[in-house]
Amino acid sequence: IAGITQAPTSQILAAGRRMTLRCTQDMRHNAMYWYRQDLGLGLRLIHYSNTAGTTGKGEVPDGYSVSRANTDDFPLTLASAVPSQTSVYFCASSRDRDSPLHFGNGTRLTVT
Amino acid sequence: LAKITQPISMDSYEGQEVNITCSHNNIATNDYITWYQQFPSQGPRFIIQGYKTKVTNEVASLFIPADRKSSTLSLPRVSLSDTAVYYCLVARNTNAGKSTFGDGTTLTVKP
Repeated sequence: IAGITQAPTSQILAAGRRMTLRCTQDMRHNAMYWYRQDLGLGLRLIHYSNTAGTTGKGEVPDGYSVSRANTDDFPLTLASAVPSQTSVYFCASSRDRDSPLHFGNGTRLTVT
Repeated sequence: LAKITQPISMDSYEGQEVNITCSHNNIATNDYITWYQQFPSQGPRFIIQGYKTKVTNEVASLFIPADRKSSTLSLPRVSLSDTAVYYCLVARNTNAGKSTFGDGTTLTVKP
């Protein structure tokens, strides 16, 4: 089934550790996104990529980095995790910048 | 970026029409509006998208007035399975990074 795969599904991480959240799509979409979702705050854009080889900062990029080496993969890295990064992280993709978003089922991350 | 306001929650009964309004007073000319539905432990799912006037698909309608400072998602004849959180997204068609989600409206459909 075509779609977005995120891994891991959930993770408990000690503060200060490095962590990479994986995201792969098989729809050949040009644009990809990372959002975090916190209770009562909706979804906030962390980083995005309009096309392979390019990335941009969203609303809350601090403490996170991304890369887009190819069309399918868009990993999100936390260089040194802090408790405020405890959240549910959603990866999304869209065919173009103005096309609807397709979301994965999220990674629940707890930083202790 | 547009500041977005949605009602926190709404209740309805099966078979009724539900209208959820999103306010986006400072929407820009190049911004479009999209609505998503989210169930627990799942990612949001696309419902409908529009730029102005009215758009209708098999599951919903989207009404956008001429000034585009608000939009209304209309769900006809809701069922229990429509109980979910509904998000309004305002995004710029020239820049994928220029987008803002509302905080979501929790719709509870009662029998």
